[in-house]
Amino acid sequence: QSALTQPASVSGSPGQSITISCTGTSSDVGGYKYVSWYQQHPGKAPKLMIYDVSDRPSGVSTRFSGSKSGNTASLTISGLQAEDEADYYCSSYTSSSTYVFGTGTKVTVL
Amino acid sequence: EVHLVETGGGLMQAGGSLRLSCAASGFTISSNYMTWVRQAPGKGLEWVSVIYTGGGTYYADSVKGRFTISRDNSKNTLYLQMNSLRAEDTAVYYCARGVFGSSSDYGFDYWGQGTLVTVSS
Repeated sequence: QSALTQPASVSGSPGQSITISCTGTSSDVGGYKYVSWYQQHPGKAPKLMIYDVSDRPSGVSTRFSGSKSGNTASLTISGLQAEDEADYYCSSYTSSSTYVFGTGTKVTVL
Repeated sequence: EVHLVETGGGLMQAGGSLRLSCAASGFTISSNYMTWVRQAPGKGLEWVSVIYTGGGTYYADSVKGRFTISRDNSKNTLYLQMNSLRAEDTAVYYCARGVFGSSSDYGFDYWGQGTLVTVSS
């Protein structure tokens, strides 16, 4: 049950697009479409941003999009805004009927 | 409206036991899968345990054999019994709701505010 691998930090200027990667194995990310992404602001509970690799829950901005290729999932934030500055975590269902989170990525808006 | 409220956290000595509760409202916990996630101070999210609608339970290797997840459908409450606590179990513990569809996993869509567990060695 090793954590999925994410870059520690990603930054961008307002209006730019950034992409966060999430690398796992064929037993988790690569084996299922059950990949989710969560946004967490300091001192707050995580918020679901993407589920099933690329679907957005109601109320989540269309600036957030997800994709997957092989064992790597990605979250793209378009039109970066100051409010997007937060920690982001991917999560995947696994072949053991468990879940695993990514190591987390701190997004900084320059 | 969906709400999840965790209680039961506190300061414990290593080797001790603690039971966390997660009271749910606005939905029926037995109709969803429920999970516990923890976050050590200044660290990332760590998945801890899940209970599925059919009652199946699964755990992270780090807590297997020490933690037990359960639910009381009559009280619409989720629990996490934590035994043999270690310093590395110190974290904010969140409960979250999960939703499975016919061919979709809708993710952990609602979270509680978290309860802090501190284990002193």
